[in-house]
Parts: sequence; structure tokens; C-alpha cells
Amino acid sequence: EDQVTQSPEALRLQEGESSSLNCSYTVSGLRGLFWYRQDPGKGPEFLFTLYSAGEEKEKERLKATLTKKESFLHITAPKPEDSATYLCAVLGGTDKLIFGTGTRLQVFP
Amino acid sequence: ETGVTQSPTHLIKTRGQQVTLRCSSQSGHNTVSWYQQALGQGPQFIFQYYREEENGRGNFPPRFSGLQFPNYSSELNVNALELDDSALYLCASSLGLEVGYGYTFGSGTRLTVV
Repeated sequence: EDQVTQSPEALRLQEGESSSLNCSYTVSGLRGLFWYRQDPGKGPEFLFTLYSAGEEKEKERLKATLTKKESFLHITAPKPEDSATYLCAVLGGTDKLIFGTGTRLQVFP
Repeated sequence: ETGVTQSPTHLIKTRGQQVTLRCSSQSGHNTVSWYQQALGQGPQFIFQYYREEENGRGNFPPRFSGLQFPNYSSELNVNALELDDSALYLCASSLGLEVGYGYTFGSGTRLTVV
């Protein structure tokens, strides 16, 4: 069964303090791994799609990487506006997008 | 380009009642999927429709049902509501089944069952 585990559950960072979020996955026939950002009471907002091990993508202060078993979302010099829940999801051979429980990130000044 | 629109935004229902939630897909998107997100949890896949046909279903009982219309808008129906059905219900649309198309999410419907 496809499964996604995210860690840590919650992360508090001071502004400018870089860190990484982890997404471990088990899926038969990975077609894509997605990162989303979700603000309270809102729907997930697309960040990245990664397709194969070794791939990396960047957007502003965020960089996503992928191996055969996990993905990392690196946040460089975060700002308070980066505070949100970050969700990881995988799409395998079943056309079902499977999400992890997310990492709640708080960045304080 | 309009995004994914869900209605209503909030809803309160009594246990045992039935509810219908609606989703208007992003223009040109023929695939829609529904998710249930309990507080503090990640979204759970309910089912997906592609060109008006159901093409995938998660571990939800038959009282969760859906429809996709010719204009690709969609409904989620839940019968015999239970307290545990209280959650944020999300709709996502896509240009198709190719993974590269990605998924665009709506802001959700917050359902409270009392």
C-alpha cells in the first residue's frame, strides 16, 4: 500500500535559520512526488513536482530534492511569511494522490 | 483564468442528514478528485472522476458518492452523516491523467456534523 510519512510534525525556526523537512515514501511505480503549501483554512497550493531520483527544483527560498525513498524540502533563510503547513504527496500506478500528514512550520522574527 | 471554486464554504449538518458539496473545475480541466482533510491531518483521497467516469476510489464507504457533469463540474454527496465526517472537503482539478498536469485545489468546504 502506498504510504507517505513526513517529519518533523512541527518546526519552529527563527527568521533566517535554514532547515529541511523530510518526506519518506513507499509507492509502487512512482509517477510523481508533489510538495504543497497549505495556509490555515485554505486549500493546498502547488510548489513542486519531482519525477525521478536525483531531481532537484528551486523556487525562491525553497529547494526540493528526491531520492528513491525520500524527498527533502530545504528552506533557506526563511521569513515569517513562509509559516504554513507543508504537505508531501505521491502519485503511483493507481491514479490516487496519497498525502502525508504535513509539517507545520512557524518562522518567528 | 479562473481557479477551482467550491461551494458552500461552510456548512453545519445534523447527524443522519445528507449533504451535497459542489466543485467547479478550472477552465479546460476534465479530471476532478475529492479529498477529506480532518483537523491536523493530511488530505485523504475519496475518489476521482475523469471525463464523467469514476476512475479511482479511496477507502471510503458507499455513502460517499459523486458525480461529474458534462461541463466537468462535480458533486460530492454524503448520506447518513456521522460526527466523524466533520472535516474540510477539498476538490482538485487537472487537465488530465498525465502526472505532469498537476492538480489545482479549491479552498474547500468546511463541514461540521453535530
